[in-house]
Amino acid sequence: AQKITQTQPGMFVQEKEAVTLDCTYDTSDPSYGLFWYKQPSSGEMIFLIYQGSYDQQNATEGRYSLNFQKARKSANLVISASQLGDSAMYFCAMREGNPRIIFGKGTRLHILP
Amino acid sequence: EPEVTQTPSHQVTQMGQEVILRCVPISNHLYFYWYRQILGQKVEFLVSFYNNEISEKSEIFDDQFSVERPDGSNFTLKIRSTKLEDSAMYFCASSVQKPGNTIYFGEGSWLTVV
Repeated sequence: AQKITQTQPGMFVQEKEAVTLDCTYDTSDPSYGLFWYKQPSSGEMIFLIYQGSYDQQNATEGRYSLNFQKARKSANLVISASQLGDSAMYFCAMREGNPRIIFGKGTRLHILP
Repeated sequence: EPEVTQTPSHQVTQMGQEVILRCVPISNHLYFYWYRQILGQKVEFLVSFYNNEISEKSEIFDDQFSVERPDGSNFTLKIRSTKLEDSAMYFCASSVQKPGNTIYFGEGSWLTVV
């Protein structure tokens, strides 16, 4: 069974619009963490945002926010006021009790001018 | 801002040859990782390393792979006898602690096996 599911293989969004990238996860561990990484065409993996399972508030980092709905096991990434430089692959990932993190298959985001 | 650095950025090697990928994790980090990403696919965990030993490894990390921290700064991944299917981007990563809230990745080493 998939631990991390990203249902949108690709998205096209107009510049300056807000974007929501979907992520659902599956775990029975009460303690876990959720990450979003951005992978531009250069290939590097850029950390964007983190949400711990016990965090009371949704994480925010600049234009990025994580819409954490624990009961639904979803951790959607919201990018406000999208920019052309936001075009990239976006990976949702989860860490359970052990050190490794497990990645979803990614969503390719295209920002249109 | 501190970062994880990896060398080489790209390596082409003959099938059957040994390859060593090098990483310098962020200096105060204690946990080190290798991940790989086959072209067009998702990022896969290979191994985690803490206190000079492997703390966890995936089913991908078989006997042809090994990791080492030969000195206080470098963290290496060795592929003993490369196969065509080892062609991938290999990412080194590090984190401060377990469970660290952020795992920082290097820019990756692209390995092409021919």
